[in-house]
Amino acid sequence: GQNIDQPTEMTATEGAIVQINCTYQTSGFNGLFWYQQHAGEAPTFLSYNVLDGLEEKGRFSSFLSRSKGYSYLLLKELQMKDSASYLCAVPENQGGKLIFGQGTELSVKP
Amino acid sequence: DVKVTQSSRYLVKRTGEKVFLECVQDMDHENMFWYRQDPGLGLRLIYFSYDVKMKEKGDIPEGYSVSREKKERFSLILESASTNQTSMYLCASSLTGSTDTQYFGPGTRLTVL
Repeated sequence: GQNIDQPTEMTATEGAIVQINCTYQTSGFNGLFWYQQHAGEAPTFLSYNVLDGLEEKGRFSSFLSRSKGYSYLLLKELQMKDSASYLCAVPENQGGKLIFGQGTELSVKP
Repeated sequence: DVKVTQSSRYLVKRTGEKVFLECVQDMDHENMFWYRQDPGLGLRLIYFSYDVKMKEKGDIPEGYSVSREKKERFSLILESASTNQTSMYLCASSLTGSTDTQYFGPGTRLTVL
């Protein structure tokens, strides 16, 4: 089977850096997605990693280690608007489905 | 830009009513999905479709059915709504495979009284 673990909640300060971790267990691996979801809104795509290493996109970076079954999302220069839930997801081995983690609720404080 | 729209943002229905939730995407995507999202339970897949008239059960299909008569439209049907179906319903679409990004609609907040 496939399983994804993320911390339930995190709190950070405006202007700081925060790292949101995700560990996964899959029988095959086809990449890992990160989505952002603000309260009451739909998830929006942030990143997709299929190779090991760090990919940077502005203030957001995503890291993947396939050998460790581990990914993290790094948010720099935190802003209040970054308060949201961050969802980690991996594609199912067969078929078109994504397996989502429970999400990490990030609160950014002044 | 991919656009996924859902028929209603908020819906209030009574127990036993038949409820239709509609989803339309404008990017010629093959795959379409229906999820529900509840606090503490995350996103759970109800049904998905990888082609017109094709459907597959997700993790929690009980009490739901779906219809995909046209490529751009995927409907979720609650045959007889119950209070435990009060939830946020999210539709998504993706191009073809599981490694293609899923794009989500704005969601429908359904309350069953």
